Amino acid sequence: DVKVTQSSRYLVKRTGEKVFLECVQDMDHENMFWYRQDPGLGLRLIYFSYDVKMKEKGDIPEGYSVSREKKERFSLILESASTNQTSMYLCASLNSGVRETQYFGPGTRLLVL
Amino acid sequence: GNSVTQMEGPVTLSEEAFLTINCTYTATGYPSLFWYVQYPGEGLQLLLKATKADDKGSNKGFEATYRKETTSFHLEKGSVQVSDSAVYFCALSPLGGTYKYIFGTGTRLKVLA
Repeated sequence: DVKVTQSSRYLVKRTGEKVFLECVQDMDHENMFWYRQDPGLGLRLIYFSYDVKMKEKGDIPEGYSVSREKKERFSLILESASTNQTSMYLCASLNSGVRETQYFGPGTRLLVL
Repeated sequence: GNSVTQMEGPVTLSEEAFLTINCTYTATGYPSLFWYVQYPGEGLQLLLKATKADDKGSNKGFEATYRKETTSFHLEKGSVQVSDSAVYFCALSPLGGTYKYIFGTGTRLKVLA
C-alpha cells in the first residue's frame, strides 16, 4: 500500500521561529510537492521537486524554502515563521510518467502565534 | 492558462439524495482530470480519474465523465450516505512535461441522516 507520511499532524510555533516540516514517501517517486490549504483558496503549490536536489517554485514560494537530499524525503522550511503562515500543509508525491496520480500525506496543521 | 472552477459549497443533502458537484476546466489539449476527496482531519485521497475525452471514472458509487465539448467533469452519485460528508476537489494534470496539477477550491458536502 502506498504511503506518504508527514512528521507532525499538529504544530504550534512562535513568530520568528524556524520551522521544519518533513515528508517521506515509500513509493520511489521522483516528484514531490508541498501545498498549503486555506479555506476558500483550495490547494496552492508552494514548491515541488522532480529529483534529488532539484526544486522549482510553485505559486506561493515566498517565505518558504525546501530541501531534497534523498529521494524519499522532502522538507519544507519556514525560515522565520509568521502568523500568516498558519495553515494546513499537505505533502504529495507522484511517479513520472503519463497521467499518474498524486498521493497525499495526512497533512500538518501549523499554528503560528 | 490552465484553471479549474468548481461549484461553491457547502452542499447539504439528505441521505439517499442525488449528488452533483459541477467542475469545469480550461486547458490546452487533453489534460487528465481527477476528483479527490478529503475527509475531516485527513489528507486528500484520489476518488476517480479520467485521462481522455468520453472516459468515465467511477469509484464507491461516484462517477464523472470527461466531456471535452463542454470542458466539464461533473461528479455524481445516485444516493449519498452520511459517510460521504467531506470536501471534494476537482483537479487537472496538464498535457506536457509539467507535473504541476491545478486544483479547484473544493466543495464541502454535508449529508444529513
